[in-house]
Amino acid sequence: NAGVTQTPKFRVLKTGQSMTLLCAQDMNHEYMYWYRQDPGMGLRLIHYSVGEGTTAKGEVPDGYNVSRLKKQNFLLGLESAAPSQTSVYFCASSSRDTDQPQHFGDGTRLSIL
Amino acid sequence: SQQGEEDPQALSIQEGENATMNCSYKTSINNLQWYRQNSGRGLVHLILIRSNEREKHSGRLRVTLDTSKKSSSLLITASRAADTASYFCATSKGGAQKLVFGQGTRLTINP
Repeated sequence: NAGVTQTPKFRVLKTGQSMTLLCAQDMNHEYMYWYRQDPGMGLRLIHYSVGEGTTAKGEVPDGYNVSRLKKQNFLLGLESAAPSQTSVYFCASSSRDTDQPQHFGDGTRLSIL
Repeated sequence: SQQGEEDPQALSIQEGENATMNCSYKTSINNLQWYRQNSGRGLVHLILIRSNEREKHSGRLRVTLDTSKKSSSLLITASRAADTASYFCATSKGGAQKLVFGQGTRLTINP
């Protein structure tokens, strides 16, 4: 049971480049989330999705776009990377049942030069 | 801004001792959750306490919730070296079960 899988695990970009982070879950969860974690801080929600074809903004959505074309996948895109987007990105999923925890991937470490 | 505030930011104790971490938050919640993060890894769920619960146990973990003070504590008893990690509280409110995290407590267990 893989749970939540994120690819890639590491990436270095130059300012202005674009890239897409992929998250896949095999638990048939309805809800999926993208967070970023900066040094010494907790996670902050970027975007989330409550179902296939739906997305919504979280706390820090600027500079990111997301898509959920399939229930099991949630993509995070950076159209024009900026050094301020250097961070560790975590994907999570959960069922829609009340009071259920989120399941996290191992993260993608992204550096923007 | 982060809703949760955790205290202390760092804690270092001897193996076998108990470790207590505290979390405060600002608004009403559906539940409060505690997660552990080992270095370089994702978050692992430890325990969830609902807003109408006051205390919950899971193995060596004990969580309390005081909604009148908007605070929670996580107690780890008989600590082990493997408990060395960062611990985060997160609150859930409203639909979609969005979580708001504290900045975490970095726990070090010395052998």
